[in-house]
Order: sequence, then C-alpha cells, then structure tokens
Amino acid sequence: AQRVTQPEKLLSVFKGAPVELKCNYSYSGSPELFWYVQYSRQRLQLLLRHISRESIKGFTADLNKGETSFHLKKPFAQEEDSAMYYCALFIGNQFYFGTGTSLTVIP
Amino acid sequence: GAGVSQSPRYKVAKRGQDVALRCDPISGHVSLFWYQQALGQGPEFLTYFQNEAQLDKSGLPSDRFFAERPEGSVSTLKIQRTQQEDSAVYLCASTPLRTGELFFGEGSRLTVL
Repeated sequence: AQRVTQPEKLLSVFKGAPVELKCNYSYSGSPELFWYVQYSRQRLQLLLRHISRESIKGFTADLNKGETSFHLKKPFAQEEDSAMYYCALFIGNQFYFGTGTSLTVIP
Repeated sequence: GAGVSQSPRYKVAKRGQDVALRCDPISGHVSLFWYQQALGQGPEFLTYFQNEAQLDKSGLPSDRFFAERPEGSVSTLKIQRTQQEDSAVYLCASTPLRTGELFFGEGSRLTVL
C-alpha cells in the first residue's frame, strides 16, 4: 500500500502566482514528514521537515492530522522553484517517498 | 569530498551479469540507506545500515540483491544475475542520526539490456 500519495505528477504555475503541492500520507501514529527537492542536474536534498516548522526559500508545509496531509505551499512562485518535489514519511528505519511532483514555473 | 559519492555513475549490464555499486558516505555518518528509483517513480527503500550493522533489509526485492558495509563506512550494493526489471537509479544516502536530513549521492544509473 502506498504510504505517501502525491496526486499531481506535473504542475505548472506562472511566476508570482501561489503554488501548492499536495501530499497525503497513510499512517496512524505520529508522523515525521519531510519535503525533498531535486533541481535540474542536482542531487536530491532536504527542503523542509514538519517538526522544525520552518520556512525555507519561502516554502511552508503544515501537517494536518485530520486530513492526513502535508501540503507544500509558497505564496509567490519563482522561476528557480522549478524542480521535482518529493514528500517523504519516516517510520522506523524507513523513509517512504511519494512519486513526486514536477513543478514548472512559467516566466 | 564533502558529499556522498557513488560509483559508477552509469552502468550498462547484459542480462545475467553481476554488478556492484559503491557508496562512499559523508565521513562520520552513522546511518546509510540504499534506495531504488525507477523511471517516473519516487525512491523506494532497499536497505539500511547503522554503522556496519544491516538493521533493515526488508526492501531488497529478491535474494539477488545483497548489500554490505563491513567497516561502517563505504557500502556496496551487489546485484547478481541482473534482470531487465533491475534497471533503475540506485541512490545512496547517509545521515549522522537515525532520522532527520538524508544526504543523497548523485545515484548510479543501471541499465540492463
């Protein structure tokens, strides 16, 4: 069973528009959730984690236990945000990754 | 080097050949993970080491897959008698702690013909 679901494979927004990348998870315990990003020709890297409640590069993500969601949001998208984004759930010794959303920000 | 290093970056194997993929984690990182990423998919967990101990190998798809980390540093993922379905990018990641930020290598892209 898929632990992490990212329903959008592709997402395009115009520069300056708000962006939301959806992530839903399946886990009955207290989740540890992360967003990882892969820019073109770069390795996968951590963007943010829910436990630190931080904003990185203008992105935020709020854990909603009722909806089992951890959507990634940014109020004003920039061209440099174009990348592949993966939501990840950590349980035990394993990180479960979603299938990813490819974000394109149109200038 | 400062980051996780993987080699080879690209490997083409004929079906039935054995391959070995190497991961050199960041110095001092206790935990090491291997992932398999098929085209259009997210990384799928293969196995996890804490120092030299392989604590979880539940993600290895078959007994043709074997991983080791004998001295708690460099790790090798070996695939015996490769099959076409083994074609994927194999990612290695390390972290100083059991959880938290994973530091990924660039991956080894395996193509089985």
